[in-house]
Amino acid sequence: AQSVTQLGSHVSVSEGALVLLRCNYSSSVPPYLFWYVQYPNQGLQLLLKYTTGATLVKGINGFEAEFKKSETSFHLTKPSAHMSDAAEYFCAVIVIQGAQKLVFGQGTRLTINP
Amino acid sequence: KAGVTQTPRYLIKTRGQQVTLSCSPISGHRSVSWYQQTPGQGLQFLFEYFSETQRNKGNFPGRFSGRQFSNSRSEMNVSTLELGDSALYLCASSAGALNTEAFFGQGTRLTVV
Repeated sequence: AQSVTQLGSHVSVSEGALVLLRCNYSSSVPPYLFWYVQYPNQGLQLLLKYTTGATLVKGINGFEAEFKKSETSFHLTKPSAHMSDAAEYFCAVIVIQGAQKLVFGQGTRLTINP
Repeated sequence: KAGVTQTPRYLIKTRGQQVTLSCSPISGHRSVSWYQQTPGQGLQFLFEYFSETQRNKGNFPGRFSGRQFSNSRSEMNVSTLELGDSALYLCASSAGALNTEAFFGQGTRLTVV
């Protein structure tokens, strides 16, 4: 069963506009949550992670995400989009089945319009 | 500190052949995981090795196998290649403890013709 769902396979915003990428997780998993970014022909780079503590997590490149247990959400935001933000973004959770593994959402491709 | 190194970056193989991909984790990391990325299925977990032992395995056929050496380097092997095995294969290394960050390599792009 999928443990994380990303809403919207494609998101397009104008340069300078707010970026909002949505991620919901199934409540049966531990709340170890991650956002990764993937540029074309590259591997995945960690943007930010939530494990415990403060629910608002700040990451690299001006991104942040808020863990909301009541909504089982971990949406990614950035106040002002830059052309260099164009990439694919993956939300992921750690699932423990014997040993742990990362389970990824389907990804959201972010396009930035000039 | 060197990152995760995957070799080769690109590979073209013929149906029925076998292939071996290599991953060198970050120094000191003992956990190596492998993922398959395709446009249709997204990122799917293949298996994870820790200190030369397979700790976890995804839902892939037995044609997909792996191993880890004493220096934590890992290889994955796919035998009897099928067209559907064409994908980007990503390796990730971590210290191995729960919720620690996984660092990814740039991947090996395998094309089966």
